[in-house]
Parts: sequence; C-alpha cells; structure tokens
Amino acid sequence: DGGITQSPKYLFRKEGQNVTLSCEQNLNHDAMYWYRQDPGQGLRLIYYSQIVNDFQKGDIAEGYSVSREKKESFPLTVTSAQKNPTAFYLCASSQLGPGGTEAFFGQGTRLTVV
Amino acid sequence: GDSVTQMEGPVTLSEEAFLTINCTYTATGYPSLFWYVQYPGEGLQLLLKATKADDKGSNKGFEATYRKETTSFHLEKGSVQVSDSAVYFCALTLNTGNQFYFGTGTSLTVIP
Repeated sequence: DGGITQSPKYLFRKEGQNVTLSCEQNLNHDAMYWYRQDPGQGLRLIYYSQIVNDFQKGDIAEGYSVSREKKESFPLTVTSAQKNPTAFYLCASSQLGPGGTEAFFGQGTRLTVV
Repeated sequence: GDSVTQMEGPVTLSEEAFLTINCTYTATGYPSLFWYVQYPGEGLQLLLKATKADDKGSNKGFEATYRKETTSFHLEKGSVQVSDSAVYFCALTLNTGNQFYFGTGTSLTVIP
C-alpha cells in the first residue's frame, strides 16, 4: 500500500544532541513537508521541498535542517540549536500541480528532550 | 497573505447532536479547500475536499460547501457519534503552488 512512513514513533534526546527523524513515501509525490505541532496548537511549517536536491525554509526553520537526496526520502535533523525541540513532528507529501491535490501525512514522531 | 481561520474550541456535544465548525479563508488566488481529522497520537487524515466554488465535499456523514462569496468552508454533520471525537483542521492550498495553510484546529468531544 502506498503511504508515508515516519520513524521512529517515539524519540528521546538528551540536551545538546542532534537527532534525525526519518520520512519515506512511496506515493511518487514531488513535494514533501515537515510540520511541528505543539499541544493544543496547529501545524507550523518547518521546511518543504518540491524537487530533489532543493528545499525551502518554512516559518520556523531555525534549529532544523533537512536534505532531499532522493525523491522518496526527506529526513529532518533537529539540531542542538533548537531551543525547545519537544513536540510532535509530522511529515507530509503531495503531488505538484493544479487540481487541488491533498497532502498525505505520516503517523508522526513524538520527540522528547530528557 | 493566505491564511485560514477556524472556530476555536474545544467543542463538546452530546451524541446525535448537530455539528458545525466554522472556517473562513483569505487567499490571493483560487484555492482548494480541505478538512482534515486528527485522532490522538496520530497524523492527519483527509476528511473531505472541494476544489472550486460551490463544490460540496462529503465523507462519513460530514459535509462542507466551498462558498466563494463568503470565503467560507464550514464543516457540518447532522448527527455526531462518540467516534467523531478528534481534532479537525481546515486547510487550503493554492492551485498555482503547493504550500498548504492550516487553521489552528478545533477539538471536538462527543459524549454519550
């Protein structure tokens, strides 16, 4: 079945460490996105990519980095520069072009700093 | 800029009550509109969508009509069930690009 897979589901990080969240899709979508969700809040865009080897900062990119070396993969690294990384992280993908194509979401990764 | 404003929650209803969650939007072009649902600890799932004015999206008893004149896309359901308890997000994307804009979400709790 086609879809988006995020791993791990739960992740614990010590302060000062970098961690990488995985996101893989087999939907053959061109665009991929990372969002952060805090309790009781909406989604905030971290980074997005519309093509391999290219990506753009979203609203809250500071302290995060991404890569897009393959169409199906868009990993997110939460660096030690991110001051408050504890949150729920959602990866999504969509097909580019007109026609109102929706975003498909993974199941999320809950990151906790210990 | 482009944005979505949706009704603040939380909303608590009794089973079989009528549900309305308001959503209005601001867009520079001609957006497609979506409602997503999120169950605890999970990602977002598409509930319904509409791609042009006067379209009605529907799924699982939920409906929303794309109203260009009022820039609205309100979510409705005639009779809610306990299993509808979740957070609902209104969203838009412009057909010229692929950024998505989400509302802040509305938490719905349905009590038996």
